[in-house]
Amino acid sequence: AQSVTQLDSHVSVSEGTPVLLRCNYSSSYSPSLFWYVQHPNKGLQLLLKYTSAATLVKGINGFEAEFKKSETSFHLTKPSAHMSDAAEYFCVVSDPGGYNKLIFGAGTRLAVHP
Amino acid sequence: NAGVMQNPRHLVRRRGQEARLRCSPMKGHSHVYWYRQLPEEGLKFMVYLQKENIIDESGMPKERFSAEFPKEGPSILRIQQVVRGDSAAYFCASSPGTSGNRNEQFFGPGTRLTVL
Repeated sequence: AQSVTQLDSHVSVSEGTPVLLRCNYSSSYSPSLFWYVQHPNKGLQLLLKYTSAATLVKGINGFEAEFKKSETSFHLTKPSAHMSDAAEYFCVVSDPGGYNKLIFGAGTRLAVHP
Repeated sequence: NAGVMQNPRHLVRRRGQEARLRCSPMKGHSHVYWYRQLPEEGLKFMVYLQKENIIDESGMPKERFSAEFPKEGPSILRIQQVVRGDSAAYFCASSPGTSGNRNEQFFGPGTRLTVL
């Protein structure tokens, strides 16, 4: 069965400092992994996705994530936080045995302080 | 190419009424997924449909909830006799396929249902 665990429910950083949002996954298959961002009362926007190509995935707005099979991790990073990065972030795994339905983590709320 | 469209964006119903949520997938997409997001939680899969067929409804509550994706027109998520616990954001996503690069899901803006 597929699942994801986001290790922090809240992360707070200062503007201009690095961001690290942690995610561990469990998958019976070679996984497809995603990070989505949700701004307050908005829909979801895809930040990046891993589908068994390069293990370091670059996404939009300066975000990137590294797939580490040995650690079953897919942590999201950004070198320098911006105020506009404040949002809810979801780590997601798809279930290829289940018609690729998406399985979401509980989310990490990122706060960025001036 | 318009994105996934959902309407209404906000829906208020009293207990016992019916709620109908509509989703128009992106042009060329024949796969539709519905997800529910309860307050302060992540999204949970409800149902996966292709045109005129329900493929996987393993996430749907057994009673009061139904979904369809007719040959013509949008996909509909229907909730009968709503209760306060149905208050949530309901998101629709569409994809062109389910394998390889065609499995990326594109999300609509969601419908926020409030049950009074």
